[in-house]
Amino acid sequence: GENVEQHPSTLSVQEGDSAVIKCTYSDSASNYFPWYKQELGKRPQLIIDIRSNVGEKKDQRIAVTLNKTAKHFSLHITETQPEDSAVYFCAANTGTASKLTFGTGTRLQVTL
Amino acid sequence: GAVVSQHPSWVICKSGTSVKIECRSLDFQATTMFWYRQFPKQSLMLMATSNEGSKATYEQGVEKDKFLINHASLTLSTLTVTSAHPEDSSFYICSAHPGGGVTDTQYFGPGTRLTVL
Repeated sequence: GENVEQHPSTLSVQEGDSAVIKCTYSDSASNYFPWYKQELGKRPQLIIDIRSNVGEKKDQRIAVTLNKTAKHFSLHITETQPEDSAVYFCAANTGTASKLTFGTGTRLQVTL
Repeated sequence: GAVVSQHPSWVICKSGTSVKIECRSLDFQATTMFWYRQFPKQSLMLMATSNEGSKATYEQGVEKDKFLINHASLTLSTLTVTSAHPEDSSFYICSAHPGGGVTDTQYFGPGTRLTVL
């Protein structure tokens, strides 16, 4: 089955700096890679996603890059703000039934 | 659009009792719903995949007789934790997938926090 690894587990940046979170996946058949933001006690919220036919996608301060050959994808947040503080999860589908396998999560803290 | 609700939002029960959690897609039809469990400071672990009108598919290590899933309609799936024990205390989250090849996105419910005394 799919295995998704995520690094780092915690990340602390100063407000205005950039944050990068990296994930690797194992199943070459995976073709959909979403990123979720989860605040304490809340539901995961989709912040950006990318399909395997695209190498990069950007939405304002958030971007995701995908390297299919190396089987890794990354989340980039620029000009970080305190409200970006949360746990971020990457995920990859398994190709059947739209199942998602989640990474272990990254706790991002943006300090003033 | 694409709103998913869960009920209850939290529940406290005694050991040995059963608890039912509902997951509803409010403004779209979900051919597939997924049930996840999340322990504190951990990731989401998929428990089972629920397809309308058919039996759920459980992930390895998840007891199907303990976690009963019913997907009776295109907008409702239920998870029943039978004979709950303290180790079943967790955050249970459902997600709904519209299907039909329209989108890959799963829409998550707000979660249900289960505490078993």
